[in-house]
Amino acid sequence: GQNIDQPTEMTATEGAIVQINCTYQTSGFNGLFWYQQHAGEAPTFLSYNVLDGLEEKGRFSSFLSRSKGYSYLLLKELQMKDSASYLCAVREISGGYNKLIFGAGTRLAVHP
Amino acid sequence: GAVVSQHPSWVICKSGTSVKIECRSLDFQATTMFWYRQFPKQSLMLMATSNEGSKATYEQGVEKDKFLINHASLTLSTLTVTSAHPEDSSFYICSARGTDGGAFFGQGTRLTVV
Repeated sequence: GQNIDQPTEMTATEGAIVQINCTYQTSGFNGLFWYQQHAGEAPTFLSYNVLDGLEEKGRFSSFLSRSKGYSYLLLKELQMKDSASYLCAVREISGGYNKLIFGAGTRLAVHP
Repeated sequence: GAVVSQHPSWVICKSGTSVKIECRSLDFQATTMFWYRQFPKQSLMLMATSNEGSKATYEQGVEKDKFLINHASLTLSTLTVTSAHPEDSSFYICSARGTDGGAFFGQGTRLTVV
């Protein structure tokens, strides 16, 4: 089974930095993904971590610690368009194939 | 990049009828596709895993006789909601597994049952 926890809502100011945390408990861990989802749209891929450490991609960075079952998504130089839900998803091997299981998502509101 | 096309984008149907949703991988072969359902302000809930040429694997609590999944080819999976009821109204999203194990999502289908 799996258990993925992330904060329900966060607010931040335009131009600031925000960190969204995700903790997970799962068997057969095989990678962690972050997705962005705007209301009424499908999720879009942001980042992928399978080894411990920090992955940087422009204004977005993601960190993983497998021993702690912990990841965070760091958003820098926040823009109004970054207001969205951010989904932490864990890939696990189950029954011989990979499944991608999503957390409940964190709704981020960016204010001027 | 990989493209997954989902059709229709939205559909309104009468209670008791069936609705078919198609998910196609346009530029790659997807041996595995996943079907998710998302209620308002909630996250994506995995419904089932669709494996090409074999029966779908359903998550606990998902009625396989109600949500029929077919994956007849490497580029097409379909989800049919049978005898739809208003409580089935939701956002249904398919995804195809990419080479890194991540997911490429379709655009989603908003189903409203009246």
